[in-house]
Amino acid sequence: KAGVTQTPRYLIKTRGQQVTLSCSPISGHRSVSWYQQTPGQGLQFLFEYFSETQRNKGNFPGRFSGRQFSNSRSEMNVSTLELGDSALYLCASTRQETQYFGPGTRLLVL
Amino acid sequence: DAKTTQPTSMDCAEGRAANLPCNHSTISGNEYVYWYRQIHSQGPQYIIHGLKNNETNEMASLIITEDRKSSTLILPHATLRDTAVYYCIVRVAGSNYQLIWGAGTKLIIKP
Repeated sequence: KAGVTQTPRYLIKTRGQQVTLSCSPISGHRSVSWYQQTPGQGLQFLFEYFSETQRNKGNFPGRFSGRQFSNSRSEMNVSTLELGDSALYLCASTRQETQYFGPGTRLLVL
Repeated sequence: DAKTTQPTSMDCAEGRAANLPCNHSTISGNEYVYWYRQIHSQGPQYIIHGLKNNETNEMASLIITEDRKSSTLILPHATLRDTAVYYCIVRVAGSNYQLIWGAGTKLIIKP
């Protein structure tokens, strides 16, 4: 069974731009969670989607948003990028209460 | 979710068993213990989880003390590829899927 896939794997943007990241969960998994990982803050929860509905949200500003499609694929969007948004963005899909992570998208904001 | 405490770093010789401790003294009766590892800048990899009984799978064994206040992840025959940061997380069964991550243990396997 294929794992969680994330695209793109690497991305370079400049301040003020926006970015959209994509995540395809493991087939049959309906819950998708997003995390941000930075050296200083570690892994921090962004939000979780289940059946196209956001069920939980972490403590991030409104510039961070997401959505989930009927096929369980998910996207997250960051608008008005700031230097501090440079991070590894991780997506995880959940089945039977266990999260399985993708390889991440490394975003660099210049 | 309960907080966990892990050593910052550990070394282990290749071929030996690596024993990684985790303290979760405030764990509640319905909280599971999960272990993940992250190899340099890759996505975290699920290893194992348990509630109160010891668990074993193809990757590792999880030993949970009787009072559930601590646990140990055992990698039976460590290889250089097991060098990673290992995270111990506790989570309430059936709760939302937000995992609260600590700093983890940096395990270095030495040849």
